[in-house]
Amino acid sequence: ETGVTQSPTHLIKTRGQQVTLRCSSQSGHNTVSWYQQALGQGPQFIFQYYREEENGRGNFPPRFSGLQFPNYSSELNVNALELDDSALYLCASSLGQGARANGYTFGSGTRLTVV
Amino acid sequence: RKEVEQDPGPFNVPEGATVAFNCTYSNSASQSFFWYRQDCRKEPKLLMSVYSSGNEDGRFTAQLNRASQYISLLIRDSKLSDSATYLCVVNFGGYGQNFVFGPGTRLSVLP
Repeated sequence: ETGVTQSPTHLIKTRGQQVTLRCSSQSGHNTVSWYQQALGQGPQFIFQYYREEENGRGNFPPRFSGLQFPNYSSELNVNALELDDSALYLCASSLGQGARANGYTFGSGTRLTVV
Repeated sequence: RKEVEQDPGPFNVPEGATVAFNCTYSNSASQSFFWYRQDCRKEPKLLMSVYSSGNEDGRFTAQLNRASQYISLLIRDSKLSDSATYLCVVNFGGYGQNFVFGPGTRLSVLP
């Protein structure tokens, strides 16, 4: 089965810019969850998309938004980038809204640097 | 609140040592538990699930104590390749933000 893929792998943006990160879910999965991992910290939940609708959101401001497409791939958009947005952004897909019994499998992530 | 806490690191141990990591979680209504391993600048990868009866996978042993809301990971005969950050994860059930990571504990195994 094809795993979760994310693009781009690395990105450098300037403060105030906007960025779009992409995630292709594993074949057969209809749910995508996004996490932000700052250096030295554990991943923090941003939001989840299930069947093209947002299904739960963590403590992130509205400038973090997302989309899920009919093929269940997803985008994470961040507007008005701030220096603190520099992090590894992780995507996980699953079948159904809850975590799988054997946990989530993550894509390799997008490392965003805001300068 | 749904929180997961771990031993602050880093742990620096010699090759061959036994090392244990501890994790506590805030909410007793938790459904499942995991240990993930994360190498530097890579994504977290599932190391093992944690079952109520405890489970072992080679040199790795995971224990769960629901009454104390406590999870542990024991690594025996540490190898250089075990150097990584170990993340405790609790699935509080339901959707989305209920899959909660701890901050991680970094392990360095020294030659």
